Amino acid sequence: ETGVTQSPTHLIKTRGQQVTLRCSSQSGHNTVSWYQQALGQGPQFIFQYYREEENGRGNFPPRFSGLQFPNYSSELNVNALELDDSALYLCASSPGDQETQYFGPGTRLLVL
Amino acid sequence: GENVEQHPSTLSVQEGDSAVIKCTYSDSASNYFPWYKQELGKGPQLIIDIRSNVGEKKDQRIAVTLNKTAKHFSLHITETQPEDSAVYFCAASILSNYQLIWGAGTKLIIKP
Repeated sequence: ETGVTQSPTHLIKTRGQQVTLRCSSQSGHNTVSWYQQALGQGPQFIFQYYREEENGRGNFPPRFSGLQFPNYSSELNVNALELDDSALYLCASSPGDQETQYFGPGTRLLVL
Repeated sequence: GENVEQHPSTLSVQEGDSAVIKCTYSDSASNYFPWYKQELGKGPQLIIDIRSNVGEKKDQRIAVTLNKTAKHFSLHITETQPEDSAVYFCAASILSNYQLIWGAGTKLIIKP
C-alpha cells in the first residue's frame, strides 16, 4: 500500500507569482485535506476535498484554491503569492470525510 | 470556534522515564482527538487517536486519556527511547466538521 505522496518537495517563488502543489492520496482514500504549517506552529486547515467536491474550508482567502481528480489525487493552487505564504504545505488523505487523516511529507514553499 | 492549547512547549526527560503532554479544548462538541508525531523535515505521523465515547486508549508504550467534563486530554509515553525525540501535536475536531484544530506542539527531548 502506497502512502500519501507530495510534489515537489521544495519550491522557491517570488512575490506575486502563482504556484501549484500536488498530492497523491493513499490507496483506497477518497478524501484529501490541505494544511499550511508555518515554522514552529501547528498546521492550519485550508480546505478538504471529498469525491472531487470541496467539503469545507478554513480561514484562507480565495487566492488559495484546489482541485480533486477522479483518481482522488489533488492540487493546491495559490495565486498572487505573498511573503507570509512561506510555509510547509501538508496534504492528508483519509478513507472518508470523517475518518483518520494520514499525512504526506509536505512541500516546503519559500516566497522571496 | 474550537481552540486547542498544548503544554508544555518543551519537555526534556531522561531516557527510560515517562513523558506526559497535556491539551485542553474549548468546544464541547469536539469528539475526535488525534495525536501526531512530527520529525524534522517530515509530515506529521499519527501515533494514537481517541473518540469521545472512550476515556482511555493504549498502544504499547503510548496511551491517551480523555476527560470530557474538564475538556482535556493527555498523551502518556512510558519507557522513553531516543527515537521518541520529536515534536508532538494534539488536535481536536468535530467529526462532522472534518477540520482538525491543532495545538502549538511540544518538543520532546530524550536525554541519554
